[in-house]
Amino acid sequence: AQSVTQPDIHITVSEGASLELRCNYSYGATPYLFWYVQSPGQGLQLLLKYFSGDTLVQGIKGFEAEFKRSQSSFNLRKPSVHWSDAAEYFCAVGARNQGGKLIFGQGTELSVKP
Amino acid sequence: ETGVTQTPRHLVMGMTNKKSLKCEQHLGHNAMYWYKQSAKKPLELMFVYSLEERVENNSVPSRFSPECPNSSHLFLHLHTLQPEDSALYLCASSQGGGADTQYFGPGTRLTVL
Repeated sequence: AQSVTQPDIHITVSEGASLELRCNYSYGATPYLFWYVQSPGQGLQLLLKYFSGDTLVQGIKGFEAEFKRSQSSFNLRKPSVHWSDAAEYFCAVGARNQGGKLIFGQGTELSVKP
Repeated sequence: ETGVTQTPRHLVMGMTNKKSLKCEQHLGHNAMYWYKQSAKKPLELMFVYSLEERVENNSVPSRFSPECPNSSHLFLHLHTLQPEDSALYLCASSQGGGADTQYFGPGTRLTVL
């Protein structure tokens, strides 16, 4: 079955600390992978995406993610977290011939303490 | 306006009411989507329209009725909803209906009394 797992429901980090949000997927086809961020009361904003090529992808706001096919993972990282990064983060997977259907993880809520 | 807009942003309705949610995209995209976001659950894809044709209907109850009159507008007509339908309803659009990046609107917060 196709699925996306974000093992951490809630993470708290100190401002300036590094961050890693985990994402594991189960998908039959070659996956396209996305990370989105959602601030309270807002829609989802794309942080970065992986379609092919270099497995380390850079996104907006200083985020990056690494695709590891052998581990079926696409973890999101940031070297130094800012208070404005507090939000909910969603990993999603799709494929070229799936008619736009994305499968989302449950989300990880990030809190940042001063 | 730019991007994807949704109206209203908040809606409270009784179970016997009929209401509609509106989505408009200003990105020149060809595909549009409705998602339901409930607390503590992953986003659920409800409907996909590509070139104004419905290509996905994800086992959604008939009390939800989508309409896509053109590639820029998408509606979700609601009637005889249940309290468990209370959620954030998100609209998105993409250039094509494949794995192209989806751009989301801010959502409509729906409460069914």
